[in-house]
Amino acid sequence: GNSVTQMEGPVTLSEEAFLTINCTYTATGYPSLFWYVQYPGEGLQLLLKATKADDKGSNKGFEATYRKETTSFHLEKGSVQVSDSAVYFCALSERGAQKLVFGQGTRLTINP
Amino acid sequence: DTGVSQNPRHKITKRGQNVTFRCDPISEHNRLYWYRQTLGQGPEFLTYFQNEAQLEKSRLLSDRFSAERPKGSFSTLEIQRTEQGDSAMYLCASSLASSGVSSYEQYFGPGTRLTVT
Repeated sequence: GNSVTQMEGPVTLSEEAFLTINCTYTATGYPSLFWYVQYPGEGLQLLLKATKADDKGSNKGFEATYRKETTSFHLEKGSVQVSDSAVYFCALSERGAQKLVFGQGTRLTINP
Repeated sequence: DTGVSQNPRHKITKRGQNVTFRCDPISEHNRLYWYRQTLGQGPEFLTYFQNEAQLEKSRLLSDRFSAERPKGSFSTLEIQRTEQGDSAMYLCASSLASSGVSSYEQYFGPGTRLTVT
């Protein structure tokens, strides 16, 4: 079945550090890939998405590239801020299927 | 557009009681989803509706769970004879599906946190 594996957390960085959160997936077809973010006390928000191989999703300084050859969709940001502290979820949706399949989440804490 | 809303935000109940949660999607969205999220895990799909039709149910949705969307607008999720293992955050999401679009963005509500004692 389809699955998503994220790098183990929690991750703690200093402000302005470079961020990478790894995400790999298993899917039978050609899924769409997503990163969602959950800030403390809030609901899940879509951060970025990519719908086909080599697409790059970007938003708020975050980027992720859909790599079909390595079945990966790693999240990166060049310089993190304290306000980026949240839980990040990688997810996929198979074409023709409606549900999202999520990874277990990675808690990110940015210290000033 | 006020986003997806869910009520109540928190529910504490005793084992064996029935509970019902409500989700109001974004008004023009025709698809509505329910997910369950336990502590430290990602959300898991439970079921989804297109308009009033329930089109898919996960194996996670036991016979004690039932969901409805009677007029294609708001939805309710009922859990009968609650068990301690039902304690979780129940998330609702909605999306707008249209022909020719293969990937649908889902917009999530804040969730209802259920605690079964």
